[in-house]
Amino acid sequence: EAAVTQSPRNKVAVTGGKVTLSCNQTNNHNNMYWYRQDTGHGLRLIHYSYGAGSTEKGDIPDGYKASRPSQENFSLILELATPSQTSVYFCASGEQANSDYTFGSGTRLLVI
Amino acid sequence: QQQVRQSPQSLTVWEGETAILNCSYENSAFDYFPWYQQFPGEGPALLISILSVSDKKEDGRFTIFFNKREKKLSLHIADSQPGDSATYFCAASAWGGGYKVVFGSGTRLLVSP
Repeated sequence: EAAVTQSPRNKVAVTGGKVTLSCNQTNNHNNMYWYRQDTGHGLRLIHYSYGAGSTEKGDIPDGYKASRPSQENFSLILELATPSQTSVYFCASGEQANSDYTFGSGTRLLVI
Repeated sequence: QQQVRQSPQSLTVWEGETAILNCSYENSAFDYFPWYQQFPGEGPALLISILSVSDKKEDGRFTIFFNKREKKLSLHIADSQPGDSATYFCAASAWGGGYKVVFGSGTRLLVSP
């Protein structure tokens, strides 16, 4: 069954530390996305990728980096985590830039 | 700039009632409108979608009504059930135009038994 799997499910990080959130998809979709979800803001796009080796800035990229080493894997990297990055992060994949998305179950990140 | 707006932010209905969730958009280029359903602790999942060439799309108890002239659409959930309690996101994109999907901020629906 095609799926998007995120790890870890929950993460506690210290301010200033490095955090890597991982995402793996078995849909063979070209496009992958990282969103954060906060109350009152819905889903906000951080970074996205059109394929292996590509990363693009979304609407709120500051403080985040992304890496797409393969078709299946897309990582979100917080080099210097801050409390304002406490949120729930979702990875998604889609066949095209404007097609339906398949979302992972999310990673709940707490930065203390 | 919020390109896709949803209202209300939260909605409570009784079991058996019809829940109506509203959505509006600004970009005339948008022509594809998926709705996603999200349960607590899970990621959003596609529920139903509509292309702008249609003014109505039904899937069981879920119906989208679309008004292209007014740039508005709504999701009607008939005979609401407690299991429908979730957050619903309206989204928009330009099918074939290369735009990314733009999400609204969501409506949290609670169906009381």
